[in-house]
Amino acid sequence: GAGVSQSPRYKVAKRGQDVALRCDPISGHVSLFWYQQALGQGPEFLTYFQNEAQLDKSGLPSDRFFAERPEGSVSTLKIQRTQQEDSAVYLCASSFLSFSTYEQYFGPGTRLTVT
Amino acid sequence: KQEVTQIPAALSVPEGENLVLNCSFTDSAIYNLQWFRQDPGKGLTSLLLIQSSQREQTSGRLNASLDKSSGRSTLYIAASQPGDSATYLCAVTLPSGTYKYIFGTGTRLKVLA
Repeated sequence: GAGVSQSPRYKVAKRGQDVALRCDPISGHVSLFWYQQALGQGPEFLTYFQNEAQLDKSGLPSDRFFAERPEGSVSTLKIQRTQQEDSAVYLCASSFLSFSTYEQYFGPGTRLTVT
Repeated sequence: KQEVTQIPAALSVPEGENLVLNCSFTDSAIYNLQWFRQDPGKGLTSLLLIQSSQREQTSGRLNASLDKSSGRSTLYIAASQPGDSATYLCAVTLPSGTYKYIFGTGTRLKVLA
């Protein structure tokens, strides 16, 4: 079966532009996570969905960041008025809510460069 | 607040060497610990997942151990190969709520032919 997919893989935006990053989780996975990975750093948690409900958005760095998952499947991370510090790889992960491991499966990421 | 540290930050070894990567975490209350590999420009590939009740996991040339009480995990790579060159990340899962991952900053490994 297909894994987690993300699009676009690469995005260059001029400072001040809005961007939208898409994540297609593994079919049937209830949980969906977004992480931000700055150059040379480990990924950092941004937000979490269980089905369509956004249960944790404590990692979103500012109110310019917004995520949605309206039908409990595909998710979109939107960044408004992009700044240079938003340049990073944005990783999406999904999980089946297994009671044994809660293992997350990661997509390839979207590399955002803000110029 | 849970913090994850990985040492060394970078490591360069000749082919064939056995090596150990270290991961430490500040709060022993974790649900599980997972080791990942990340190649340049790529996403994360899961290597080994150790549940909190387990002490170690093995897959091929890889062995990961977990000592929750001391807040430590090690990833042992036997007979290293140039294809093992990558960044290795460890992550712990918080035991409640969202079960989100807390990642370390990674160890960049280079295996020389």
